[in-house]
Amino acid sequence: GQSLEQPSEVTAVEGAIVQINCTYQTSGFYGLSWYQQHDGGAPTFLSYNGLDGLEETGRFSSFLSRSDSYGYLLLQELQMKDSASYFCAVRPLSGSARQLTFGSGTQLTVLP
Amino acid sequence: GAVVSQHPSRVICKSGTSVKIECRSLDFQATTMFWYRQFPKQSLMLMATSNEGSKATYEQGVEKDKFLINHASLTLSTLTVTSAHPEDSSFYICSARDNGYTFGSGTRLTVV
Repeated sequence: GQSLEQPSEVTAVEGAIVQINCTYQTSGFYGLSWYQQHDGGAPTFLSYNGLDGLEETGRFSSFLSRSDSYGYLLLQELQMKDSASYFCAVRPLSGSARQLTFGSGTQLTVLP
Repeated sequence: GAVVSQHPSRVICKSGTSVKIECRSLDFQATTMFWYRQFPKQSLMLMATSNEGSKATYEQGVEKDKFLINHASLTLSTLTVTSAHPEDSSFYICSARDNGYTFGSGTRLTVV
């Protein structure tokens, strides 16, 4: 099975840098994805790590270390609009359905 | 990019009635669609995988007779919540995979 744990809440101020961690226990997966979800909205894709290391996409970066069963999302130059829930997710190697399994989610609050 | 349209966005129904939620892939064909349920402040939990032309695959603990899924075409999957009860009140989200995973905008179901 899959288990992905995240801190439930993170608070930071505008302009700051925040890191959201994702630790996992899984029998194998293709890669680690990150999604943002505003209240009442659909999850939107942010970043993907298929290999270990750092991926950078604008203000967002994501990191994966398979040996440590750990990944993180780094948000720089925080803006008020970044207040949302963030989920890590994996697509398991086993099974043919190709469904995503989501982490427990982190509620980010950005303060002025 | 790929678009998934989900309707209705909000629905309020009386206890004991049934509600149908539609999920359409607008610019691509989806042989497989995924249905998730999300309770407030919680993660997205996969309910079932909808397969075009065949029976849906339900996750453990999800009642297939209560949550009826039909995937009659390559662009449409429907989820019908039968004999709804207040505990079925939740946010339901569909998803389909094109180059990546695309999510519908979600349906807020309130059973009174």
